[in-house]
Amino acid sequence: QQQVKQSPQSLIVQKGGISIINCAYENTAFDYFPWYQQFPGKGPALLIAIRPDVSEKKEGRFTISFNKSAKQFSLHIMDSQPGDSATYFCAASAEAGANNLFFGTGTRLTVIP
Amino acid sequence: EAGVAQSPRYKIIEKRQSVAFWCNPISGHATLYWYQQILGQGPKLLIQFQNNGVVDDSQLPKDRFSAERLKGVDSTLKIQPAKLEDSAVYLCASSPPGDRGLPNYGYTFGSGTRLTVV
Repeated sequence: QQQVKQSPQSLIVQKGGISIINCAYENTAFDYFPWYQQFPGKGPALLIAIRPDVSEKKEGRFTISFNKSAKQFSLHIMDSQPGDSATYFCAASAEAGANNLFFGTGTRLTVIP
Repeated sequence: EAGVAQSPRYKIIEKRQSVAFWCNPISGHATLYWYQQILGQGPKLLIQFQNNGVVDDSQLPKDRFSAERLKGVDSTLKIQPAKLEDSAVYLCASSPPGDRGLPNYGYTFGSGTRLTVV
């Protein structure tokens, strides 16, 4: 059973455009929602994270929007650059669940110059 | 700060053979995780250690997979015997103790070991 559902599976965006990736979850015990970026041959690297006490968090060109009532959260990449081309994973964890992360299935982002 | 070290980077074995992976976490990180990432999928937790004790191994196929964390530092993950469906990248990650309250609490992943079972 997939604890975190992610879409789309792949995304192609023009340079300078906005990339949007969506995730949804069911477990209301989840209280930490990170996004990871993974380049080929590398492990996932933490990009940005949010907790459910806020609805939005912005770091540079990356923004997480969080909708607690809908149990959805999304990653927005503003002014997308070719260097952003990677696979992005959303994830979730619950403090009561030993903190281990449940990952989405990933979105392969390609930014075209 | 040195990252999470994993070895080997690649391994090709025949089915029914055994294989072992090694992980050295970031110094001081109490929690260590092994994840399995099948091509095209997100990482899936296999086992979680807190110091040298197992916190969660509910997703570890214990008939063929085993893991240990020596003295609460390095860890090894073993598969014996391997099956074709074990072909994946095995990722090790670590996280510091008591860090969960920080704004960007998170794991640090190693680059993984890519296992191909033929």
